[in-house]
Amino acid sequence: AQSVAQPEDQVNVAEGNPLTVKCTYSVSGNPYLFWYVQYPNRGLQFLLKYITGDNLVKGSYGFEAEFNKSQTSFHLKKPSALVSDSALYFCAVRVLSGGYQKVTFGTGTKLQVIP
Amino acid sequence: NAGVTQTPKFQVLKTGQSMTLQCAQDMNHNSMYWYRQDPGMGLRLIYYSASEGTTDKGEVPNGYNVSRLNKREFSLRLESAAPSQTSVYFCASSLAKTALGETQYFGPGTRLLVL
Repeated sequence: AQSVAQPEDQVNVAEGNPLTVKCTYSVSGNPYLFWYVQYPNRGLQFLLKYITGDNLVKGSYGFEAEFNKSQTSFHLKKPSALVSDSALYFCAVRVLSGGYQKVTFGTGTKLQVIP
Repeated sequence: NAGVTQTPKFQVLKTGQSMTLQCAQDMNHNSMYWYRQDPGMGLRLIYYSASEGTTDKGEVPNGYNVSRLNKREFSLRLESAAPSQTSVYFCASSLAKTALGETQYFGPGTRLLVL
């Protein structure tokens, strides 16, 4: 069975410092990996995705993520955190299983950027 | 262009009552999805509709039914609400029927409380 793990419930980082939000996955086929952000009382918003090709994926708002097949990871990164980046971040994986799409989200990581 | 809209925004039900959550998208997307979000559990797929006229079970379909009324609308029905169905429900849509790399667009959510 496929799974996604976000090992940290919360990440605190000072404004201006680099941030990393971790994600690891377990799938039997080729993974299609996504990061979404959720602001309070809002739906999820797409940040970036990895389908194939370059392992470093650049997305919205200056975020990027690195796909590492050997470590089965897809960590979200940003060189310099902003207070406005404070939100809940979800990693997700989609695979084709038995002819059907299977979508699995991680449990989310709350990012707190401290001024 | 409103994107994905959901009604109602908030609802309180008594155990055993029924209700329908409405979702509509104006992006001409083929696929639509219903998720529930619970603390510490991320998002779990309830049902999805790859295209108009088709629906499939997701990870947690028990206690729910869906209807893909037309290409724009995808409703979720609780026939006999239970306290375990207290959650935040998100509708999402994506352009492609089966392409796993497609981005999902989420609605603002419906907060449901079952007493």
